[in-house]
Amino acid sequence: AQSVAQPEDQVNVAEGNPLTVKCTYSVSGNPYLFWYVQYPNRGLQFLLKYITGDNLVKGSYGFEAEFNKSQTSFHLKKPSALVSDSALYFCAVRGAYSSASKIIFGSGTRLSIRP
Amino acid sequence: GAGVSQSPRYKVAKRGQDVALRCDPISGHVSLFWYQQALGQGPEFLTYFQNEAQLDKSGLPSDRFFAERPEGSVSTLKIQRTQQEDSAVYLCASSLSAASTDTQYFGPGTRLTVL
Repeated sequence: AQSVAQPEDQVNVAEGNPLTVKCTYSVSGNPYLFWYVQYPNRGLQFLLKYITGDNLVKGSYGFEAEFNKSQTSFHLKKPSALVSDSALYFCAVRGAYSSASKIIFGSGTRLSIRP
Repeated sequence: GAGVSQSPRYKVAKRGQDVALRCDPISGHVSLFWYQQALGQGPEFLTYFQNEAQLDKSGLPSDRFFAERPEGSVSTLKIQRTQQEDSAVYLCASSLSAASTDTQYFGPGTRLTVL
């Protein structure tokens, strides 16, 4: 069965510092991994995805994520946080051999950037 | 270009009423997905359409939930005899093809409150 874990409910970072939002996954076969961000009263906005190739994936708004197969992780990172990055972040996974519909989301991590 | 749109944005229903939630996917997108997002949780899969065919409805919580996409474009999620536990945000997403690698693009959601 597919699953995603976001071990931190909340991450607090000072503006200008690097940030990391953690994600680990479990899936049969090769994983397809996604990060989404959700602002209040808005839908989910796509940030980036890993399908194959380079383990470091670059996405929108200066975010990047590193795929680590041995640790089954896909942590989201940004070198220098902005107050506007404060939002709810979701990691999601789909197995390469699963049906097109089965994308599983984590429970979310609330990122708070203080000025 | 236009993204995924959903209507209404907010819906209040009395317990026992029927509701219908509409999703307009991105034009030309083959795949359409419905998710349910409870407060403080990640989205949970409800159902999936490829064009007009409903290929997966394994996430629908009960037979009170029904979805359709008769012309392979607009979709409607109907909930009959609403219950308080149906209160949630209902998200619609679409993707260009049926490939598992495709990105899903989300609408703003419909917040359903059942009194």
